[in-house]
Amino acid sequence: SYEVTQPLSVSVALGQTARITCGGNNIGSKNVHWYQQKPGQAPVVVIYRDSNRPSGIPERFSGSNSGNTATLTISRAQAGDEADYYCQVWDSSTAWKVFGTGTKVTVL
Amino acid sequence: QVQLQESGPGLVKPSGTLSLTCAVSGGSISSNYWWSWVRQPPGKGLEWIGEIYHSGSANYNPSLKSRVSISVDKSKNQFSLKLSSVTAADTAVYYCARVFVDYCDFWGQGTLVTVSS
Repeated sequence: SYEVTQPLSVSVALGQTARITCGGNNIGSKNVHWYQQKPGQAPVVVIYRDSNRPSGIPERFSGSNSGNTATLTISRAQAGDEADYYCQVWDSSTAWKVFGTGTKVTVL
Repeated sequence: QVQLQESGPGLVKPSGTLSLTCAVSGGSISSNYWWSWVRQPPGKGLEWIGEIYHSGSANYNPSLKSRVSISVDKSKNQFSLKLSSVTAADTAVYYCARVFVDYCDFWGQGTLVTVSS
């Protein structure tokens, strides 16, 4: 089955840029989605299909996907961005959904 | 706006069957969406369990497929999860979610199910 990997943690200084990666074999050929999950809450999608932001998500959140790596970028990081972030892909060959291992973002 | 609400026992005995229901409001379960279950063990990451379409067609995580069944009740606008032969490893927060093509756009608040005697 398809596997995606993420760094366990990413730290970013307040107001700086955080980049969270999601690695997988030829992931650039798949749609990648990103969820933010704060403690005790359900996940919320912040980027869908590589680079699209749902309404209500700040422009500070952006995404890209190429080759074997997809990236979620948080610009001008705020304290409220501290959360776990998960990437997710859909394996079209099997119709399975696969979540990444998750990355804890800390804003210093 | 669609809302989802999970319900079911919070405690299940080992070797028993975990049963949860997700009530959908603000939209019809017969619309052109899939409906999914996702779980999260305490302190761990998200795991996709499976999904169902209103026609009854379903897809399951291969690691759970032998123990999982997802069904839909269009008359009650809800869908359900059954997970058999549970162990402590199945202790988790279980979420239901709506699937928009290939990602989950709306989620329930989640419900904790503990497997313990």
